[in-house]
Amino acid sequence: GQSLEQPSEVTAVEGAIVQINCTYQTSGFYGLSWYQQHDGGAPTFLSYNGLDGLEETGRFSSFLSRSDSYGYLLLQELQMKDSASYFCAVRPWDSNYQLIWGAGTKLIIKP
Amino acid sequence: DTGVSQDPRHKITKRGQNVTFRCDPISEHNRLYWYRQTLGQGPEFLTYFQNEAQLEKSRLLSDRFSAERPKGSFSTLEIQRTEQGDSAMYLCASSLVAEQYFGPGTRLTVT
Repeated sequence: GQSLEQPSEVTAVEGAIVQINCTYQTSGFYGLSWYQQHDGGAPTFLSYNGLDGLEETGRFSSFLSRSDSYGYLLLQELQMKDSASYFCAVRPWDSNYQLIWGAGTKLIIKP
Repeated sequence: DTGVSQDPRHKITKRGQNVTFRCDPISEHNRLYWYRQTLGQGPEFLTYFQNEAQLEKSRLLSDRFSAERPKGSFSTLEIQRTEQGDSAMYLCASSLVAEQYFGPGTRLTVT
């Protein structure tokens, strides 16, 4: 089976840097995705790691290490609007593009 | 607006009634997914369509749930004989390849 573990909540200060970790147990997957979801809103795509290493998109970076069964999302120069829930998700090899999701990390940003 | 749309946004129904939700994906996307999300959890995969073919269905999905995508464009999700445990946000997503674009969801409350 597949499972992904994330911290339930992380608190950070505006302007700071925060890292949200995702550890997983899965038999095999194509890549690790990250999604952002504001309260009452729909998940929106942030980044995808198909290969090990770091992917950077503006203030957001994501990292994957398959050997360590671990990934993270790094948010820099935090803004109040970044307060949201962040989900990691994998696409298993034995699926038709369906995603298996973690339970999400609620990011609380304080001024 | 060329994003994914869902209708209705909110639905309140009495236990035992049938409900039907509609999803209009991004027009050029051939892949369509239905997910269910409860508070504090990540989306849970329900079913997947490629064009009009339903290629994958969650083993956890009750026989009370059925989905169609008759012309490979919009899709409907029907829940028969609703139960209180069906109360959740029902999300639709579409994609061309890996990145999934989500609609705003339909929030179902079963009383």
